[in-house]
Amino acid sequence: AQKVTQAQTEISVVEKEDVTLDCVYETRDTTYYLFWYKQPPSGELVFLIRRNSFDEQNEISGRYSWNFQKSTSSFNFTITASQVVDSAVYFCALSALYNTDKLIFGTGTRLQVFP
Amino acid sequence: GAGVSQSPSNKVTEKGKDVELRCDPISGHTALYWYRQSLGQGLEFLIYFQGNSAPDKSGLPSDRFSAERTGGSVSTLTIQRTQQEDSAVYLCASSRGGANVLTFGAGSRLTVL
Repeated sequence: AQKVTQAQTEISVVEKEDVTLDCVYETRDTTYYLFWYKQPPSGELVFLIRRNSFDEQNEISGRYSWNFQKSTSSFNFTITASQVVDSAVYFCALSALYNTDKLIFGTGTRLQVFP
Repeated sequence: GAGVSQSPSNKVTEKGKDVELRCDPISGHTALYWYRQSLGQGLEFLIYFQGNSAPDKSGLPSDRFSAERTGGSVSTLTIQRTQQEDSAVYLCASSRGGANVLTFGAGSRLTVL
């Protein structure tokens, strides 16, 4: 069975703090994709990153970074020097490698960044 | 269009009524998906259309739910005899198919009184 667990329901931080959002996944597939999406108050999910199971290199994009560890089945997301505009619900998701017809989503983590 | 368009953005209905939710995908996207987001829950897969293939309806929660996609473009999700537990945000997404990334619409918030 495939499953994505985001144990943190809600996180509150003060602006400029670093924050890490946890994601743990379960899959029997040997090849797969992992994703992070951001859902701001407007409701539209915004794609942040896709990582395939072959590539365990960490990735950095501006203030965002992702740590993928197959050994612990985790794909954690860190925001450095958080800003109020980062306030949103963040979803981690899993899909088959060659067809993303069924994204399996976690329950999301609501991040609130206070000024 | 530039993005995935959904209508209505908000719908309030009475229990037992039928509702239709519309999704207009990005032009040229062959794959279309419906997801449901209930309060405090993740996104639940409902149905998937890819080109002219038979849709994958494995996520539809009951036979009160149905969806169609006309001309390989616009899709309509229909919920018959709505129940209060149907209250949720219904999200549509589209992609070029295969392993391409999904682009989501802003959703249709359904409230069943």
